[in-house]
Amino acid sequence: ILNVEQSPQSLHVQEGDSTNFTCSFPSSNFYALHWYRWETAKSPEALFVMTLNGDEKKKGRISATLNTKEGYSYLYIKGSQPEDSATYLCARNTGNQFYFGTGTSLTVIP
Amino acid sequence: NAGVTQTPKFQVLKTGQSMTLQCAQDMNHEYMSWYRQDPGMGLRLIHYSVGAGITDQGEVPNGYNVSRSTTEDFPLRLLSAAPSQTSVYFCATQAATGTYYGYTFGSGTRLTVV
Repeated sequence: ILNVEQSPQSLHVQEGDSTNFTCSFPSSNFYALHWYRWETAKSPEALFVMTLNGDEKKKGRISATLNTKEGYSYLYIKGSQPEDSATYLCARNTGNQFYFGTGTSLTVIP
Repeated sequence: NAGVTQTPKFQVLKTGQSMTLQCAQDMNHEYMSWYRQDPGMGLRLIHYSVGAGITDQGEVPNGYNVSRSTTEDFPLRLLSAAPSQTSVYFCATQAATGTYYGYTFGSGTRLTVV
């Protein structure tokens, strides 16, 4: 099974709230997991590449963790701002292909 | 710093017409691919190429052809457009397959088949 699943599908939060969402993937033969930020009418932009169990990556107010043994990654946004509104995609990199989730659509309400 | 350039940005086709979506990159990336994005579905791989002269099918190849005569260009051809091919198409490149490098995406082509 190669499916990558993301939850929730969509999320509305107030400005200043912190939030998190999940990417689940098959734990066998793990190679790498990628997070992308995708704003409306633009193309996806890379956020993080995660390769090792226990990895934690951080970029400003956004951070991500990885658990390859149980097959999940969390993306956290601290103190959400309206400019964080976007779809956040994760993708499983098998070394040969990428398998994308359907994304979590985040709307931050001012 | 052009990166990945897709043309056109928008296109309307009549059923049965043919067209070519262009993708060009100036980063010397080995790997190039075409995805389609449909509502409620993740990005789905149509075709990909690991280098000039080499192409292979992805998850949803039917109705599409590709070729890779140069490292820079990877056009996607719709031979006889169908309404089911209405979608947003993204070209994505990777420095090299089998690595941790992420994708660089083009800006997308929104195609409507009527």
